[in-house]
Amino acid sequence: NAGVTQTPKFQVLKTGQSMTLQCAQDMNHEYMSWYRQDPGMGLRLIHYSVGAGITDQGEVPNGYNVSRSTTEDFPLRLLSAAPSQTSVYFCASSQGTVDNSPLHFGNGTRLTVT
Amino acid sequence: KNEVEQSPQNLTAQEGEFITINCSYSVGISALHWLQQHPGGGIVSLFMLSSGKKKHGRLIATINIQEKHSSLHITASHPRDSAVYICAVRTRGYQKVTFGTGTKLQVIP
Repeated sequence: NAGVTQTPKFQVLKTGQSMTLQCAQDMNHEYMSWYRQDPGMGLRLIHYSVGAGITDQGEVPNGYNVSRSTTEDFPLRLLSAAPSQTSVYFCASSQGTVDNSPLHFGNGTRLTVT
Repeated sequence: KNEVEQSPQNLTAQEGEFITINCSYSVGISALHWLQQHPGGGIVSLFMLSSGKKKHGRLIATINIQEKHSSLHITASHPRDSAVYICAVRTRGYQKVTFGTGTKLQVIP
């Protein structure tokens, strides 16, 4: 099993550009989520999904969109990139509800917005 | 005040030392996770616990629900244990997981 696969690993955008960060898992996990990690701060939840067709906002959703058309894929869209979105982004998944199964993380995407 | 506080923020140890990393939280939780993040690498789950104690190799995790406190212990530390260790809690009744800022551990040979 590949686990959780994130692409790309690195990305540089200019302010105002849009892009999609890809996340795919092959473990048939119901729960998928996106986090951003900034220096000196813990991982912060952007959006999450508890199954195909169901998404909800986390702590810092502004400027990001998500969709969950299949169990496997959970892409994160930046609509109009801003320098404040420079960060490392992690996708994570788990089977069932988070409180009874471990989180599986992708290797992260380092995004720089100039 | 953050919902999840870790201490210390940075820790340097000599190889072979016994290490303790602490995590305190302020909300009611349904589970607590300990995660490990290597430099430039991804994040892996070490433990998930809601009561008592768990052990895996040289790593031991404990939790005291009444005191809202958890500890991660590493026995006979090794340079390959050098990493950032992150505590995360799932708030009871919600899907949200809140993360601490991490403890950066360096083990010197």
